[in-house]
Amino acid sequence: VQLVQSGAEVKKPGESLRISCQGSGYNFANYWITWVRHVPGKGLEWMGKMDPSASYPSYSPSFEGHVTMSADTATSTAYLQWSSLKASDTARYYCARHTDRSSTGWLDPWGQGTLVTVSS
Amino acid sequence: NFVLTQPHSVSESPGKTVTISCTRSSGSIALNYVQWYQQRPGSSPTIVIYDDDQRPSGVPDRFSASVDPSSNSASLTISGLQTEDEADYYCQSYDSSSFVVFGGGTQLSVL
Repeated sequence: VQLVQSGAEVKKPGESLRISCQGSGYNFANYWITWVRHVPGKGLEWMGKMDPSASYPSYSPSFEGHVTMSADTATSTAYLQWSSLKASDTARYYCARHTDRSSTGWLDPWGQGTLVTVSS
Repeated sequence: NFVLTQPHSVSESPGKTVTISCTRSSGSIALNYVQWYQQRPGSSPTIVIYDDDQRPSGVPDRFSASVDPSSNSASLTISGLQTEDEADYYCQSYDSSSFVVFGGGTQLSVL
């Protein structure tokens, strides 16, 4: 079971971005994917989770309206996207799989993270 | 919603035992399972304890955890500290909407 994320990105404020998280070694459609933001020097922040089988996202109030989560079961890939980046979006973003099919359980495995840098 | 509060940092010597606490601000700690993750510098988080006190295969038995309803807190204990245990540790639970809640993280120094 593995989650592999897309590579590092450098963007300007106002630009759009989509990063990916591809699962392998299990039935991707059956387990929710969570997204976590990690700002260097700060703690982990939960952004929301996605049911790949229904393309049904559930967002943290702190991130709702600023990011969009989606998934493609045909390619076993989850996506996190921004339509207009801000400098404050600079962080490393992790995807992780919920071990319980009801969207709870512990988070395992985690992707390797995608570093997003937003700077003018 | 509730907050999980952890000490910002702890330090201890190799071979000793350290305990990291995680206190829930409202609602019983026993309402939802607590997980613990280890994040070494430059690495992704990994699970070290799930469902309050269960250790995944591959995690040394030096790692243990418990929940104390009387103090509304969970605790992660690492015995026989090794330099490789130096990392950030996060507790995690769920709220009534099944939203993930992380503690603020504790930096463990082994010196």
